[in-house]
Amino acid sequence: EPEVTQTPSHQVTQMGQEVILRCVPISNHLYFYWYRQILGQKVEFLVSFYNNEISEKSEIFDDQFSVERPDGSNFTLKIRSTKLEDSAMYFCASSGGRGHSYEQYFGPGTRLTVT
Amino acid sequence: AQRVTQPEKLLSVFKGAPVELKCNYSYSGSPELFWYVQYSRQRLQLLLRHISRESIKGFTADLNKGETSFHLKKPFAQEEDSAMYYCALSSNTDKLIFGTGTRLQVFP
Repeated sequence: EPEVTQTPSHQVTQMGQEVILRCVPISNHLYFYWYRQILGQKVEFLVSFYNNEISEKSEIFDDQFSVERPDGSNFTLKIRSTKLEDSAMYFCASSGGRGHSYEQYFGPGTRLTVT
Repeated sequence: AQRVTQPEKLLSVFKGAPVELKCNYSYSGSPELFWYVQYSRQRLQLLLRHISRESIKGFTADLNKGETSFHLKKPFAQEEDSAMYYCALSSNTDKLIFGTGTRLQVFP
């Protein structure tokens, strides 16, 4: 069964550094998402992406964040200058269509630790 | 404001006991409600959604618009049901709004 994959599984970085989190969505999916979960808190929506542009973004997704689909398979989340509070589990998800009848399939997550 | 509330962080039951994981939501329109499950060391996966009105792994959930609730129920818990359960709401866009989750522990 096809799955969303994410790399790396764990990323440690110093405050102020740039990080890129990578995701490979399910191959025939068209809608892509990033969520994050700070330890002990809820899973929060960051951004949705379709047709090479952002569909929706949350208040969390400020100018420090960007997303890109650099080729036909990868979907990346970049944090330009990491802060301590960016430490979290970042989940990528993809779906085959828009609307509630389409399930969002989640990746295993990347744990980002900012020191 | 759109919000999902799961009041219990932890629910512990013995095998064979009934289970009810509570979920309340706040949303002004017509929401779509989901339950996601995360087993140990596994990814988040959809358990069920209210529009399909189906039972998955013995779990059911009924949307009660009057009480703005979408509680997850199972009449007889199994040890393999031990996991983290997240209630989620989808608004008129695709984004999912999650609750804080309830950890279900089923003891033998």
